Amino acid sequence: EDQVTQSPEALRLQEGESSSLNCSYTVSGLRGLFWYRQDPGKGPEFLFTLYSAGEEKEKERLKATLTKKESFLHITAPKPEDSATYLCAVLTGYSSASKIIFGSGTRLSIRP
Amino acid sequence: NAGVTQTPKFQVLKTGQSMTLQCAQDMNHNSMYWYRQDPGMGLRLIYYSASEGTTDKGEVPNGYNVSRLNKREFSLRLESAAPSQTSVYFCASSERGERGYGYTFGSGTRLTVV
Repeated sequence: EDQVTQSPEALRLQEGESSSLNCSYTVSGLRGLFWYRQDPGKGPEFLFTLYSAGEEKEKERLKATLTKKESFLHITAPKPEDSATYLCAVLTGYSSASKIIFGSGTRLSIRP
Repeated sequence: NAGVTQTPKFQVLKTGQSMTLQCAQDMNHNSMYWYRQDPGMGLRLIYYSASEGTTDKGEVPNGYNVSRLNKREFSLRLESAAPSQTSVYFCASSERGERGYGYTFGSGTRLTVV
């Protein structure tokens, strides 16, 4: 069964304390992996798309990486405004058989 | 630009009542989607419209219907609401006709069915 698992469920860091969020997946064929940020009471905001193992994308303090089994969202020297829930999603299949599976998210809290 | 606008933001329904959730986008995107988000679960696709004039079922379509009114608007209807439909509903749009790529989401409708 296709599955996307994010860990940890929640993470509390001190401002400036770097860490990584994990998204592991078990799918029949990966076509793309996406990272989104979601603030409380808001819809998710698109961050990155990764297509193949070894690919990396960066945006400000965030860097996403992809292997054949998982993706990491590295956050370097985070600030309180980076506090949010981070979602990953995996796209598999083609045409009418394509589907996207979202993980349940990691809730990140950065203390000043 | 407003992006994706959803109405209403909050709604309480009694079991058996019907309602329509409205969604409009002003980015000239071809594809639009309806998702639901429940605690501890990932977003789940209810219905989508790859382009104007087409609609297809997602992973959890039972109890819902949709209408792609024009390129801008995509509505979700609950004909007979059930407590299991208590959730936060998100509408999304994208330029590409494939799921997941660069979605722009609305701010959601929080629905409670009692």
